[in-house]
Amino acid sequence: GQQLNQSPQSMFIQEGEDVSMNCTSSSIFNTWLWYKQEPGEGPVLLIALYKAGELTSNGRLTAQFGITRKDSFLNISASIPSDVGIYFCAGNYYGGSQGNLIFGKGTKLSVKP
Amino acid sequence: DGGITQSPKYLFRKEGQNVTLSCEQNLNHDAMYWYRQDPGQGLRLIYYSQIVNDFQKGDIAEGYSVSREKKESFPLTVTSAQKNPTAFYLCASRTRDSGRIFSGANVLTFGAGSRLTVL
Repeated sequence: GQQLNQSPQSMFIQEGEDVSMNCTSSSIFNTWLWYKQEPGEGPVLLIALYKAGELTSNGRLTAQFGITRKDSFLNISASIPSDVGIYFCAGNYYGGSQGNLIFGKGTKLSVKP
Repeated sequence: DGGITQSPKYLFRKEGQNVTLSCEQNLNHDAMYWYRQDPGQGLRLIYYSQIVNDFQKGDIAEGYSVSREKKESFPLTVTSAQKNPTAFYLCASRTRDSGRIFSGANVLTFGAGSRLTVL
């Protein structure tokens, strides 16, 4: 089936540093979503993208829908300890069942104060 | 406040027992989903339901069963046939697919999860 390649798998950074993670697919996607999951909780939506080239911000977070429609990235600027968690990309590809999202395996972020 | 409630948060099961995880939503969403999460494996779809009294198997449905008798409720039963049931289970819901792509489409809202441990 369809897969999303999310990288990196994990990151260990110092507080204040910027973070970048991305997802790529072999198929063209019509929706890209970024979620954050804290330990023992469900994922929470951070940013949703619906158009190729779209660049959307949510506070210190910025995500872009790749122009090829096969990738997306998420940037976090000036990281703080509460940014710790697992970040998932998710998407829906053309021809896929709408609403049945494909998920990346996540990027685990650790922030050292 | 609208949201999805999963219960129990923690559940312990002996081998050979069936257990049922509850998922209730008051978001008036049509579609509901169950995912399984294992460390380093992301989210895997177990079952989903687009409408009351109808549901479909996901990628890893073996050993699980569901029902959708009410719009608000989508319980998941982990049966004794599931060989490795210890995992974190997530329920999610979304509005009905309109066939168009629009802002807010395909966005899943998740519950807080239930952790099942087999003793």
